[in-house]
Amino acid sequence: GQQVMQIPQYQHVQEGEDFTTYCNSSTTLSNIQWYKQRPGGHPVFLIQLVKSGEVKKQKRLTFQFGEAKKNSSLHITATQTTDVGTYFCAGPSGTYKYIFGTGTRLKVLA
Amino acid sequence: DTGVSQNPRHKITKRGQNVTFRCDPISEHNRLYWYRQTLGQGPEFLTYFQNEAQLEKSRLLSDRFSAERPKGSFSTLEIQRTEQGDSAMYLCASSPAYNEQFFGPGTRLTVL
Repeated sequence: GQQVMQIPQYQHVQEGEDFTTYCNSSTTLSNIQWYKQRPGGHPVFLIQLVKSGEVKKQKRLTFQFGEAKKNSSLHITATQTTDVGTYFCAGPSGTYKYIFGTGTRLKVLA
Repeated sequence: DTGVSQNPRHKITKRGQNVTFRCDPISEHNRLYWYRQTLGQGPEFLTYFQNEAQLEKSRLLSDRFSAERPKGSFSTLEIQRTEQGDSAMYLCASSPAYNEQFFGPGTRLTVL
């Protein structure tokens, strides 16, 4: 079945360093969503990408959708302690179902 | 906007008992999802409703699980004859269209 993998599984960075997580799908996606889940919290929507090669920015966060629409990345510039959490990508599988990636857990050391 | 609410927030039950969880989505959202999340994993899709119609159900879901959304508003998820492997966080999400999902705080189930 369709799989969505993310690397790395964990990342520890010093505050101020950059961070990137990569999302890879076994199948082509019509769109990809990114969510952030704080420790003890629930997933919160960050962004949706639809077009091949699309790049979107939200302040220090840059999201990219691959040309083949099978991979995506999230890059955070100059991490802050408020960036701590797990970042998930999610893609549709079939008409209604969404498959979430394995997640990348980010820890930021002050 | 009061957000998605879920009740109860925590449930501890003994193996073999039935449990029911409730989700109240954002009022104008016609799409509703149920997910299960275990520690260190991403949310796993369980089922999807569009208004009152259950349009998709995970093949991984055993027949002990059932969900309803009788009037297209709130939804319930029932687990019959609970097993220890059912222990997880059960998340509900609602969506106005085929885009962002708004998650509730979840119901944490512990089966002893």
